[in-house]
Amino acid sequence: DQQVKQNSPSLSVQEGRISILNCDYTNSMFDYFLWYKKYPAEGPTFLISISSIKDKNEDGRFTVFLNKSAKHLSLHIVPSQPGDSAVYFCAASAGTGTYKYIFGTGTRLKVLA
Amino acid sequence: GAVVSQHPSWVICKSGTSVKIECRSLDFQATTMFWYRQFPKQSLMLMATSNEGSKATYEQGVEKDKFLINHASLTLSTLTVTSAHPEDSSFYICSARTGTYNEQFFGPGTRLTVL
Repeated sequence: DQQVKQNSPSLSVQEGRISILNCDYTNSMFDYFLWYKKYPAEGPTFLISISSIKDKNEDGRFTVFLNKSAKHLSLHIVPSQPGDSAVYFCAASAGTGTYKYIFGTGTRLKVLA
Repeated sequence: GAVVSQHPSWVICKSGTSVKIECRSLDFQATTMFWYRQFPKQSLMLMATSNEGSKATYEQGVEKDKFLINHASLTLSTLTVTSAHPEDSSFYICSARTGTYNEQFFGPGTRLTVL
């Protein structure tokens, strides 16, 4: 049972354009969401997070949107740069307790120069 | 800040041997550490959660006698893969969380290959 899903395994975007990565979840108990960037054979690097009390969080070129009613979040990267090419994972947490994360399946982003 | 290291970064071992992987939080005290494994082109799957000084909590389907976790201090957790088999070959990643923030900080991972 995949509680966090990223339905697009890959995405190609032209440099300078917007990249939109999507993530859906099924567990209504999730109240904290994160995006991580990962290169092969490396650990994930934290990008941005959002609490369920918000619907948007912005940090530089990265913006995360949360639609609780649709159980959907998205990561916008604008403008996209070749260095953004990596695998992006969304993760969800149920907040209290152990704060364990459930990761999505990942989307490989390729930014074309 | 918030640096997590893992050692070794890669290891090759023979089937039947045991392998220990260390995870250290270098500049903060980790109240909780997590162990994940990732198969090629797949997601990160949480194996277990460990709190300093207490027994680890394993996710469903993870054999606790095979994957021994010790969290002896606030800066060190170890994962020992006992009697390793080729199907245990994977990328093992640890993460650490402080008591203040929800974010987990991840180590660089350890590539285990069992021959």
